[in-house]
Amino acid sequence: GENVEQHPSTLSVQEGDSAVIKCTYSDSASNYFPWYKQELGKRPQLIIDIRSNVGEKKDQRIAVTLNKTAKHFSLHITETQPEDSAVYFCAASIVVRGDDKIIFGKGTRLHILP
Amino acid sequence: KAGVTQTPRYLIKTRGQQVTLSCSPISGHRSVSWYQQTPGQGLQFLFEYFSETQRNKGNFPGRFSGRQFSNSRSEMNVSTLELGDSALYLCASSLLAGPNYGYTFGSGTRLTVV
Repeated sequence: GENVEQHPSTLSVQEGDSAVIKCTYSDSASNYFPWYKQELGKRPQLIIDIRSNVGEKKDQRIAVTLNKTAKHFSLHITETQPEDSAVYFCAASIVVRGDDKIIFGKGTRLHILP
Repeated sequence: KAGVTQTPRYLIKTRGQQVTLSCSPISGHRSVSWYQQTPGQGLQFLFEYFSETQRNKGNFPGRFSGRQFSNSRSEMNVSTLELGDSALYLCASSLLAGPNYGYTFGSGTRLTVV
């Protein structure tokens, strides 16, 4: 099916704490999982991605983990800062009736509290 | 190098009219995908063009169409506009076709139908 579920829809964390956003997908053939950050009034920007042959990937304070068996992947942000406040979208590649495309989750609005 | 350029940035149209949106991808990128972004539905895939051919499309009515030119610039057309077509339309540029490569998004065209 064409479905990427993302939770939570809203997340508030204290500055300096960690934030975790979780996504599940339905297509067992999905093999590419990007994450995008969209600040208010700006374009979505790719912040990290992971492929199905890798279980975890890190880039400074950001990490993504993938559990292919359970069909879920997560974004972890450590030592959160005010500039991390944004909407985060997970996505997964899928193939539907021969068409391959990226399907996005509905987004998580992350608030970093001072 | 220049990013993804979308024009115009804002549009106000009346129900029943038609509209054409333009997207110029990053130089050298041959894939252009279009997305509709609304607060309730997130990012919904419209279609992808690669080498002047539509590779795949999402679940939108035939009123939504597009094309790509030999210089990779793409246009999206919406005919017989409805109030529900009000949204931010984003185009995304990628070096190669398909969903397994990260996108660079444009700033979008904000369409308001009155």
